[in-house]
Amino acid sequence: EADIYQTPRYLVIGTGKKITLECSQTMGHDKMYWYQQDPGMELHLIHYSYGVNSTEKGDLSSESTVSRIRTEHFPLTLESARPSHTSQYLCASKRVDEQYFGPGTRLTVT
Amino acid sequence: AQSVAQPEDQVNVAEGNPLTVKCTYSVSGNPYLFWYVQYPNRGLQFLLKYITGDNLVKGSYGFEAEFNKSQTSFHLKKPSALVSDSALYFCAVRDLRGGSQGNLIFGKGTKLSVKP
Repeated sequence: EADIYQTPRYLVIGTGKKITLECSQTMGHDKMYWYQQDPGMELHLIHYSYGVNSTEKGDLSSESTVSRIRTEHFPLTLESARPSHTSQYLCASKRVDEQYFGPGTRLTVT
Repeated sequence: AQSVAQPEDQVNVAEGNPLTVKCTYSVSGNPYLFWYVQYPNRGLQFLLKYITGDNLVKGSYGFEAEFNKSQTSFHLKKPSALVSDSALYFCAVRDLRGGSQGNLIFGKGTKLSVKP
């Protein structure tokens, strides 16, 4: 297993709440990614970063935001959660050509 | 356009039989191809990749994949399936478009079910 961690693993939250999904890696990788995945479905890239102070939006439009203040940390924030945000969120980091994935956060917004 | 297709939503195999999970790709240039596996409630795990060289690539857990340039395919194979191989399998291709910085484009995934 790769050294990439996500917390919380599961989160149930009410509409309108602000949430931050945490992702950290201890491998010193510069490139990090956030994907959104409905259960058993394809992955959609929503954000990525090539290093500290670098963030880009992915192919799928998302109302979330990210920051990259430290190499090892790449949190994702939803300012006001909605039921449409219910999904699984996967974080990954990259060494050369291989991406290493965290275990994911399953978010349910009620 | 850069894309990858997995034509089968699900593949069912009996334990001990060979398995194949299909993947075709479309890229403008030499493809970088990957297979990942996802077990329930887990992130994706890297299985194998093709960058260049031998068309038959060997990876983790006894899996291999064959790169076929003329058919633009990269099918995942295993000679003898195990029940524990049951999972969701994703094929991916490196995005070669300018500005993409080599991000991966994933297929929709194929659910592999191996029955005892």
